[in-house]
Amino acid sequence: DVQLLESGGGLVQPGGSLRLSCAASGFRFSSYAMGWVRQAPGKGLEWVSTISGSGDTTYYTDSVKGRFTISRDSSKNTLYLQMHSLRDEDTAVYYCAKGGRIAAAATDYWGQGTLVTVSS
Amino acid sequence: ETVLTQSPGTLSLSPGERATLSCRASQSVSSTFLAWYQQKPGQAPRLLIYGASSRATGIPDRFSGSASGTDFTLTISRLEPEDFAVYYCQQYGSSPLTFGGGTKVEIK
Repeated sequence: DVQLLESGGGLVQPGGSLRLSCAASGFRFSSYAMGWVRQAPGKGLEWVSTISGSGDTTYYTDSVKGRFTISRDSSKNTLYLQMHSLRDEDTAVYYCAKGGRIAAAATDYWGQGTLVTVSS
Repeated sequence: ETVLTQSPGTLSLSPGERATLSCRASQSVSSTFLAWYQQKPGQAPRLLIYGASSRATGIPDRFSGSASGTDFTLTISRLEPEDFAVYYCQQYGSSPLTFGGGTKVEIK
């Protein structure tokens, strides 16, 4: 069975940094695009970033460009999201999302999410 | 950026009734790249439909999707108690990927 387990969330001050991890299992990790989707408290879903299966192509929503970096380690079957210069508006549950063999694919599996709270 | 507008915001129906949810795109979206998700409180979203009309693995056939130009529809033929939730459409054909604002299907 496909499993995605996020970790690394927590409380951080504005301007701070945090790194999220997503441990994947149950599928050939390096063959699939992966991404992050977030959901602010009481709000809808917002796509954050996607990385290709090979890791050589990345995509970001405008509001996180230059602040967040998505990466993956196929030897560890793990996806990462390094977040810098965090803002109040980055407060959300961050979901790890499994895509398809190409970047343009629906998310067929989701992790349970990890909460990031940016507050002083 | 492709904006997806979902309507209605809330749909109040009874079990056994038919639910029709709408998602309108601000510009052309290939049917190949439109998905629907269901989310229940405290849970991660679940993929229902991809490619506008293909059901994901394990999704009951009471869920169906269709497309007409820039209008996409999710239909639940007969609501079961477990279907009361929030539903989101998403386009994944162009960056930035975008979601609609969601439709809440609540018990009347």
